[in-house]
Amino acid sequence: ETGVTQTPRHLVMGMTNKKSLKCEQHLGHNAMYWYKQSAKKPLELMFVYSLEERVENNSVPSRFSPECPNSSHLFLHLHTLQPEDSALYLCASSQDLDTGGDEKLFFGSGTQLSVL
Amino acid sequence: DQQVKQNSPSLSVQEGRISILNCDYTNSMFDYFLWYKKYPAEGPTFLISISSIKDKNEDGRFTVFLNKSAKHLSLHIVPSQPGDSAVYFCAAKAIGFQKLVFGTGTRLLVSP
Repeated sequence: ETGVTQTPRHLVMGMTNKKSLKCEQHLGHNAMYWYKQSAKKPLELMFVYSLEERVENNSVPSRFSPECPNSSHLFLHLHTLQPEDSALYLCASSQDLDTGGDEKLFFGSGTQLSVL
Repeated sequence: DQQVKQNSPSLSVQEGRISILNCDYTNSMFDYFLWYKKYPAEGPTFLISISSIKDKNEDGRFTVFLNKSAKHLSLHIVPSQPGDSAVYFCAAKAIGFQKLVFGTGTRLLVSP
């Protein structure tokens, strides 16, 4: 496996369910990110991890809970979501946190989430 | 308030012609700009970038132009190919900040 892998590709859940999204990167990168893409809206940064430490939490509701057990894996735990949380959730990684401006993001294919 | 705007949601071009995708930004602190391309059912992939100290960067068929005074950048694809059909996202950031701010994307369709 190469690149950034996300599972599952699709997820349908009720508002009372608890589920988790998984991301794994095989690039040896030190930084990982969760982005949300809602219909007709820009990609929104949710969380940033560097060397397993959270460095940014972009005012995300507590019903989204990230976990980064090591530099290769990132999870997004979901509980009591709302229908407006339905979106494409993208994981990304970069070699390091961007300091010089040219740090490129490598994205996974995303999890398309539907909350009923 | 969107700091990065792509005002054209879609663009159709014939194969072999030039595609021009536009992007405007409002934050004068931005000093690095990137374009990402996204195919259906795939994540975005990096295409080309430009630093604010330059006004042009070229990579094969892709050229990005930056007009800092107008806070405007554009991506030129010459010649356009059917395989270029995708959604193109403009993104911007300020050095020292982790946050990459994206536009809403422009869907490019290149017809044979």
